[in-house]
Amino acid sequence: GESVGLHLPTLSVQEGDNSIINCAYSNSASDYFIWYKQESGKGPQFIIDIRSNMDKRQGQRVTVLLNKTVKHLSLQIAATQPGDSAVYFCAEGGFDAGGTSYGKLTFGQGTILTVHP
Amino acid sequence: DAGVIQSPRHEVTEMGQEVTLRCKPISGHDYLFWYRQTMMRGLELLIYFNNNVPIDDSGMPEDRFSAKMPNASFSTLKIQPSEPRDSAVYFCASSLVGGRERTGELFFGEGSRLTVL
Repeated sequence: GESVGLHLPTLSVQEGDNSIINCAYSNSASDYFIWYKQESGKGPQFIIDIRSNMDKRQGQRVTVLLNKTVKHLSLQIAATQPGDSAVYFCAEGGFDAGGTSYGKLTFGQGTILTVHP
Repeated sequence: DAGVIQSPRHEVTEMGQEVTLRCKPISGHDYLFWYRQTMMRGLELLIYFNNNVPIDDSGMPEDRFSAKMPNASFSTLKIQPSEPRDSAVYFCASSLVGGRERTGELFFGEGSRLTVL
């Protein structure tokens, strides 16, 4: 029979609106979380990160919120633009026993954001 | 810096043929990762290297897959023999080891889209 692919959550917004993309993570011991943006035909690109000892971090037009109680992460994009249309992934990672970070990340399934002009 | 460079960008081959994907990480990065992306399973970590040494290959699907990193500036992912279910986008990513002052950001290449007929 036919195989069934992942049904990615989708979010459609109008240009200029604010967008909120959500992610439920699995490992309560993760030390940090990263949001990535993947445009069609390209590799994922870093947007913003947050450590587990923080609950909010702001970047340029983006804010990440972390709620460890319910293992939930969100990415807020202000004044969304057509160029923000992409798949957004959350990823979680940890420091090793020596306290170093090295990029071994576990990715979520992704959310498709479509921005209508 | 040119970023992570992958080749080929697209590969179409027939079942049973050998496929070799290539990656040049960012100069100076300590870690190199191979990921596979499919609609069915999302982004999966296949294997990663630290200073050219394979650290964890538990994500490699089966013995048909092998990866090497003969030097700090080059890695290959080989599939022999290839099967239609290997069709996917294969990403190479690199990162720089860091302490707790930074999270483990991964820098991705543009990917190699493999189609096995």
